[in-house]
Amino acid sequence: GAGVSQSPRYKVAKRGQDVALRCDPISGHVSLFWYQQALGQGPEFLTYFQNEAQLDKSGLPSDRFFAERPEGSVSTLKIQRTQQEDSAVYLCASTYYSGTAHSSYNSPLHFGNGTRLTVT
Amino acid sequence: GQQVMQIPQYQHVQEGEDFTTYCNSSTTLSNIQWYKQRPGGHPVFLIQLVKSGEVKKQKRLTFQFGEAKKNSSLHITATQTTDVGTYFCAGHSGYSTLTFGKGTMLLVSP
Repeated sequence: GAGVSQSPRYKVAKRGQDVALRCDPISGHVSLFWYQQALGQGPEFLTYFQNEAQLDKSGLPSDRFFAERPEGSVSTLKIQRTQQEDSAVYLCASTYYSGTAHSSYNSPLHFGNGTRLTVT
Repeated sequence: GQQVMQIPQYQHVQEGEDFTTYCNSSTTLSNIQWYKQRPGGHPVFLIQLVKSGEVKKQKRLTFQFGEAKKNSSLHITATQTTDVGTYFCAGHSGYSTLTFGKGTMLLVSP
């Protein structure tokens, strides 16, 4: 497909379970971002990759959150020991502009449909 | 840290009325982007403004970037039901990440 693909679309987890969310960016996009969007809020930055390198993970809320992009394409966001406050939509975005992290932040983001995580 | 604030949080208009949302940053921005998110959808990029005082138009949408590069606005002329959604501004300053506002939700009644 031509867009950013995320799976699963919906995920229900019991508190304490681990979850893994997948993002398949647009082909050729070297920059990949993860955002968390709580209900009624704007997307909040979690982490950024340029190819396989995780250049910024300052937005990850705790050490229970871990992201990887081992081959510079597909990325996985893993949340360990999920808590109720983790319930949100997790958005992945990619952009074609490589350059420096600064220039990637200036580029328009192409978002996927997101994964809605509900922790019960 | 950088904060981006949007007002109003919510607006309900009759079709044909105009609509404006305002965005203010606590820091000077290098650029500002606007996104639209339809109910149940994901944010979709609309436009990017870079220059001080810049004005850009897309059909019925007019985007402005303030002279001090700390504020921006989106104005929709003669709203249509297809304009329904949440409009987000997102700003970037220096080497910080793109920071999104909380958005303005627009409802349009036919």
